[in-house]
Amino acid sequence: GQNIDQPTEMTATEGAIVQINCTYQTSGFNGLFWYQQHAGEAPTFLSYNVLDGLEEKGRFSSFLSRSKGYSYLLLKELQMKDSASYLCAVNDNDMRFGAGTRLTVKP
Amino acid sequence: ETGVTQSPTHLIKTRGQQVTLRCSSQSGHNTVSWYQQALGQGPQFIFQYYREEENGRGNFPPRFSGLQFPNYSSELNVNALELDDSALYLCASSRPGRLNQDGTQYFGPGTRLLVL
Repeated sequence: GQNIDQPTEMTATEGAIVQINCTYQTSGFNGLFWYQQHAGEAPTFLSYNVLDGLEEKGRFSSFLSRSKGYSYLLLKELQMKDSASYLCAVNDNDMRFGAGTRLTVKP
Repeated sequence: ETGVTQSPTHLIKTRGQQVTLRCSSQSGHNTVSWYQQALGQGPQFIFQYYREEENGRGNFPPRFSGLQFPNYSSELNVNALELDDSALYLCASSRPGRLNQDGTQYFGPGTRLLVL
């Protein structure tokens, strides 16, 4: 089957670091995306990985291991505004999304 | 803002009715995808349009149909509405071509549909 799995909820403290994991099993692979979605809003693009390794973009980094079907999104120096759902999505010619991880950042 | 617009923002319909949702893609993007997002879930792929033709479809029944126009704007039509069709409908546009390269998608604000 085709699955994209990520934790349902996570909680972290302002200023800390949090890692959101995603594992996937898809029939094809043309890249993995992370999106941020605030409640009631549309998803916004955060990162894209197609090769193994770490992609860094400011406070956000994303890692991919294709052989393990695994990715993570790392958020550093957490801010209150980072409270949102984080969606992992795999492009296997169609875009398949996980259910999202709801992150709550506490003071 | 992504430059992708959708209308209407909210809509209430009754079971059995038909609905048309609209999307204007970001400038330079000729590929449009539609998603259904139920509360607490990730977006589910409905279909994609590229150069006015359907270019991929998810696991949705034929009563979900679409169109893409020469200016790359798009419509999603849903016939015989069911209660379970209540969801946020998202449109996303991407660079030319299918999602076989960096097909980063940019989402519109969505249309929230409630079926009573």
